[in-house]
Amino acid sequence: ETGVTQSPTHLIKTRGQQVTLRCSSQSGHNTVSWYQQALGQGPQFIFQYYREEENGRGNFPPRFSGLQFPNYSSELNVNALELDDSALYLCASSMGIQGDEQYFGPGTRLTVT
Amino acid sequence: GQNIDQPTEMTATEGAIVQINCTYQTSGFNGLFWYQQHAGEAPTFLSYNVLDGLEEKGRFSSFLSRSKGYSYLLLKELQMKDSASYLCAVRGLTTDSWGKFQFGAGTQVVVTP
Repeated sequence: ETGVTQSPTHLIKTRGQQVTLRCSSQSGHNTVSWYQQALGQGPQFIFQYYREEENGRGNFPPRFSGLQFPNYSSELNVNALELDDSALYLCASSMGIQGDEQYFGPGTRLTVT
Repeated sequence: GQNIDQPTEMTATEGAIVQINCTYQTSGFNGLFWYQQHAGEAPTFLSYNVLDGLEEKGRFSSFLSRSKGYSYLLLKELQMKDSASYLCAVRGLTTDSWGKFQFGAGTQVVVTP
């Protein structure tokens, strides 16, 4: 069984640039959720994808967007990067929207300068 | 919406017991989850409660009282490797929160020799 993987591990971008983060869900899981975790804080829900459709969104502006592919892998895109976007971005996969367990990937550490 | 509160930090001695409290206010509730997160790593699932009462998993136990909006995670026979942040998370139930996890800021547990 393959766990949740994310790429890249680390990324440094300049303010105003765009970034794409990738996530491969655990085998058999059809739901992916994305979170932003600032230092010393808990993860903040960005959005969730279920069977290739967005299934809910947290309090993030439209410049945060995403996709889910037929193999249930997912992308998080952030446009017009701001300094405050510097954080650990986590994706978590589960089986179904109400899956009892979410399995987190190792995260992508994004630094915006 | 949901508001989740947990202490910022707790210190305990190796071999001792520590109880981490979590209180929440939510417009819809469909489960309370506990995750462990070591520094620089992804959260890992520990336990969850949907109904009132105590769930035991080895050295970890979690308790829920839905009427009081209260949960705790009990860590017994503390080991040095238990030094980590412990995240309390509530899963939503209402139309706009279905399946979403709202995390607290985390409780940093420091285990001393």
